[in-house]
Amino acid sequence: EAGVAQSPRYKIIEKRQSVAFWCNPISGHATLYWYQQILGQGPKLLIQFQNNGVVDDSQLPKDRFSAERLKGVDSTLKIQPAKLEDSAVYLCASSPPRDRRNTIYFGEGSWLTVV
Amino acid sequence: GENVEQHPSTLSVQEGDSAVIKCTYSDSASNYFPWYKQELGKRPQLIIDIRSNVGEKKDQRIAVTLNKTAKHFSLHITETQPEDSAVYFCAASGAGNMLTFGGGTRLMVKP
Repeated sequence: EAGVAQSPRYKIIEKRQSVAFWCNPISGHATLYWYQQILGQGPKLLIQFQNNGVVDDSQLPKDRFSAERLKGVDSTLKIQPAKLEDSAVYLCASSPPRDRRNTIYFGEGSWLTVV
Repeated sequence: GENVEQHPSTLSVQEGDSAVIKCTYSDSASNYFPWYKQELGKRPQLIIDIRSNVGEKKDQRIAVTLNKTAKHFSLHITETQPEDSAVYFCAASGAGNMLTFGGGTRLMVKP
């Protein structure tokens, strides 16, 4: 079974520039998550989708971050304009439908460095 | 919302010894508690989980215990091996079935 795919794996940008990350979840997984993991910290949930609807985006800095999952499969996370503190790994994850354990499967992450 | 505290932040043990990592959570409605292992530069991977209707679960050298009254849960690794060296994260599923992660424990197993 293919895992969660993410791209690009690495990105270096200057502050105030924009960046976009793409995620393709495991086939059939209805729930998709974007997490931000700052070096030395645990993953922090940014946004959760159920199919193409947003379940929770309470921790998404909406003045600069946006995410969409238009067809209920792939998702894109955008940051515009980037700040130095946005340097982190952006982890996409997915979980299957009707999974009471909430088991989530992570992608390898997109490493962002803002200089 | 849910808040998960994890201790210690770093743990160094000799190969063959046991390692224990502890977490506390704040939301009494949380009912699912997974543990993830993350090796350097890799994705977090689920190693064991426990639901609130169970007090303990074992899988070979790994065990997790849960005390719902005290709102804490622990990961126990016995007979540690160098390949157990990694960062371990606990998490709790609170309101809305969303996972909140602890800050992580860097485990170093010295040969």
